[in-house]
Amino acid sequence: NAGVTQTPKFQVLKTGQSMTLQCAQDMNHNSMYWYRQDPGMGLRLIYYSASEGTTDKGEVPNGYNVSRLNKREFSLRLESAAPSQTSVYFCASSDRTDVWEQYFGPGTRLTVT
Amino acid sequence: ILNVEQSPQSLHVQEGDSTNFTCSFPSSNFYALHWYRWETAKSPEALFVMTLNGDEKKKGRISATLNTKEGYSYLYIKGSQPEDSATYLCAHREYGNKLVFGAGTILRVKS
Repeated sequence: NAGVTQTPKFQVLKTGQSMTLQCAQDMNHNSMYWYRQDPGMGLRLIYYSASEGTTDKGEVPNGYNVSRLNKREFSLRLESAAPSQTSVYFCASSDRTDVWEQYFGPGTRLTVT
Repeated sequence: ILNVEQSPQSLHVQEGDSTNFTCSFPSSNFYALHWYRWETAKSPEALFVMTLNGDEKKKGRISATLNTKEGYSYLYIKGSQPEDSATYLCAHREYGNKLVFGAGTILRVKS
């Protein structure tokens, strides 16, 4: 089992460019999450999907959109990247059967110049 | 604004020292408290999930306690080793499946 996978690992964008971060999990989890991690701020929730077909805003959703493509995949889109979106992005998944313990992907380091 | 607070922000100890750090969280609407270990350039890995007041969990030299009435959890590391160097995150779960993370405690163990 690969667990949670993310692509790409690194990305550099110019201000105004768009891109999609991909996430997939093979643990048959219902819930998936996107976080950003900034120094001194911990992990902040951008969007989450409690189950296939649903998505909800987290703490810092502005400037992002998400798509829960199927049970396995949850993508995060930046429509018009801004320098403030320079961060490390983590995808995670969880399920009631695992007492909602979250399993994280390896992260995507994004720099917006 | 984080309503999950961790202290200290960072800690430097010598190999063999025992250490502990604190996670404070809202005591109302409590469902669970999660601890994660996060090594540099890796992704967070789950250590413990704690749900009951008075819970104590142990994994090797690492243990944790939980007080839901006053809203805090302690993580203890006995006889710290250089490989314990990491950021330790706690996260509070209210009803549902979202976690609110603290900013973490950075531990550096010097040999």
